[in-house]
Amino acid sequence: AQSVTQLDSHVSVSEGTPVLLRCNYSSSYSPSLFWYVQHPNKGLQLLLKYTSAATLVKGINGFEAEFKKSETSFHLTKPSAHMSDAAEYFCVVSDTGLTGGGNKLTFGTGTQLKVEL
Amino acid sequence: GAGVSQSPSNKVTEKGKDVELRCDPISGHTALYWYRQSLGQGLEFLIYFQGNSAPDKSGLPSDRFSAERTGGSVSTLTIQRTQQEDSAVYLCASSFRTGGGNTIYFGEGSWLTVV
Repeated sequence: AQSVTQLDSHVSVSEGTPVLLRCNYSSSYSPSLFWYVQHPNKGLQLLLKYTSAATLVKGINGFEAEFKKSETSFHLTKPSAHMSDAAEYFCVVSDTGLTGGGNKLTFGTGTQLKVEL
Repeated sequence: GAGVSQSPSNKVTEKGKDVELRCDPISGHTALYWYRQSLGQGLEFLIYFQGNSAPDKSGLPSDRFSAERTGGSVSTLTIQRTQQEDSAVYLCASSFRTGGGNTIYFGEGSWLTVV
């Protein structure tokens, strides 16, 4: 069974300061890990994904995440926050656990990022 | 199309009525998924299609929920005799294939309110 824990339900930063959104996972297999972002009243947009290649993954809008197997973590970071980054962020682990081989996505509970002037 | 398209984007319906939600996946994507996002429940898997077949329906919450997919493309999620607890955002997603490292792309959702 797989699971995802997002350690903070809310994070507040000032514009121009670094962002850290924490995620820990549990998976029986070598996991595929994703971060998705959801802006208000919008769908889920893929930020980045880890698939056992480089452990440091770069995504869109200046975000990156580092896969650390020893810590079972996949924290999301950005050096400098922008007002437009305010949104909800979901850490997701994926395997082929659905009947028929489909990808079963297990979502974290989300972290709401607030960016203040 | 360029992305996963869902309609309607918003739907308000009376309790007891039936609703249909439509999903147009990205062209060429064989796998299609429906998820539900509601307050207090987070994101829940509903059903998975591979082509026109649905090998995994394990997330459908009751027999009032059904879905079909035709032509390996468009999918319709139907909720019969809607209840207030059905109020949620229904998200459709698609992917080119399945397997490790596969990326799943989401639509913007259909926001359902049952009054």
